[in-house]
Amino acid sequence: AQKVTQAQTEISVVEKEDVTLDCVYETRDTTYYLFWYKQPPSGELVFLIRRNSFDEQNEISGRYSWNFQKSTSSFNFTITASQVVDSAVYFCALSEAGRGGADGLTFGKGTHLIIQP
Amino acid sequence: EAGVAQSPRYKIIEKRQSVAFWCNPISGHATLYWYQQILGQGPKLLIQFQNNGVVDDSQLPKDRFSAERLKGVDSTLKIQPAKLEDSAVYLCASSQDRGGLSFFGQGTRLTVV
Repeated sequence: AQKVTQAQTEISVVEKEDVTLDCVYETRDTTYYLFWYKQPPSGELVFLIRRNSFDEQNEISGRYSWNFQKSTSSFNFTITASQVVDSAVYFCALSEAGRGGADGLTFGKGTHLIIQP
Repeated sequence: EAGVAQSPRYKIIEKRQSVAFWCNPISGHATLYWYQQILGQGPKLLIQFQNNGVVDDSQLPKDRFSAERLKGVDSTLKIQPAKLEDSAVYLCASSQDRGGLSFFGQGTRLTVV
């Protein structure tokens, strides 16, 4: 069965510091998708990125970057020059594509990121 | 484009009572999901619909939870009877592609007392 582990329960940094959120996943499928979602205090889950299992290219989007490594089953997320508005709970999630159309997300427990001014 | 709509936003009920939540997905999204998010945890999938058919309900506690999506658009999730451990946020999400890319509503926060 699939599993997502976010070992960091809470991270607190001072504004402008760089911060990396770790995500390790387990799956027996060869085709799968990995996600990061942000959940601010308002509660709504906001989609950040999706990567498929065949694309290990790292990605940068503004201050955000993602490092996908199949060899270590990791999909880490880095925020450069953090800002107070980045404070939220961040979830890593996995979707297996080979289960007859069942592609619901398996989430980690989340990392609560606190950016102090 | 309107997002996923859910109602009510908050609900407080006594244990053993019943409750229903409503979700209207993004227009054109064939896939609809219900998740349960207990405080301090990540969301857990309860049920997935493709149009009005159930694709995955393996984690739905079927003795007390039920869900339907009669016309392939709106969906309702019901709990009967509620238990204290059902206190959680119930999130609805919808998707238009394979691979799980889902857009979430604001959720319904249920408190069972």
